[in-house]
Amino acid sequence: QSALTQPASVSGSPGQSIMISCTGTSSDVGSYNPVSWYQQHPGKAPKLMIYEVNKRPSGVSNRFSGSKSGNTASLTISGLQAEDEADYYCCSYAGSSTPFYVFGTGTTVTVL
Amino acid sequence: QVQLVQSGAEVKKPGSSVKVSCKASGGTFSSYAISWVRQAPGQGLEWMGGIIPILAIANYAQKFQGRVTITADKSTSTAYMELRSLRSEDTAVYYCAREDSGTYPDAFDIWGQGTLVTVSS
Repeated sequence: QSALTQPASVSGSPGQSIMISCTGTSSDVGSYNPVSWYQQHPGKAPKLMIYEVNKRPSGVSNRFSGSKSGNTASLTISGLQAEDEADYYCCSYAGSSTPFYVFGTGTTVTVL
Repeated sequence: QVQLVQSGAEVKKPGSSVKVSCKASGGTFSSYAISWVRQAPGQGLEWMGGIIPILAIANYAQKFQGRVTITADKSTSTAYMELRSLRSEDTAVYYCAREDSGTYPDAFDIWGQGTLVTVSS
């Protein structure tokens, strides 16, 4: 099971919207399996931002939203803020095959 | 609010083993799944395996099968990850993470602070 493919970097100016893609296969992202997204600041543990493709945990800003089409999931950050500068990882459950969970390659978001 | 507190950094020789602990405080432990995820320096996240403490059933990524053992002690609300036959490529930060299937299915909502394991001769 290979890592899900994400762009290495995405940048935007404060207030703009950006989108991060996450491409997998019909066995993971493209199936009915849940996709989650994580934010990681340098030297910190990841933080859950989106689960089940498009749901936000309590406490996560509504500027973060998720979607999926076919084998590609996406994370959109609207109203970009300086604090959004971090690494972002998608993750998909891969069903009964091992590994059970596959992470994306990671995307560094830079706020210009 | 549940917190996951991991054991401290380790320096190991190639060929040796390491055992990292992850203690849950402030809430129940057994009814959730605990996964172990590692991150090599400058690299992405990699799922290694997980356990459901109440069932004592562990599952492992094929890449690590035969070299990793994940266990849980319900009496102390602590999960453990042991990795054997260490090599330099195992140098990484190892995280434990909780999956609350009832609230956030197939997602990791609480993470430990991470444990740096350095493998060097």
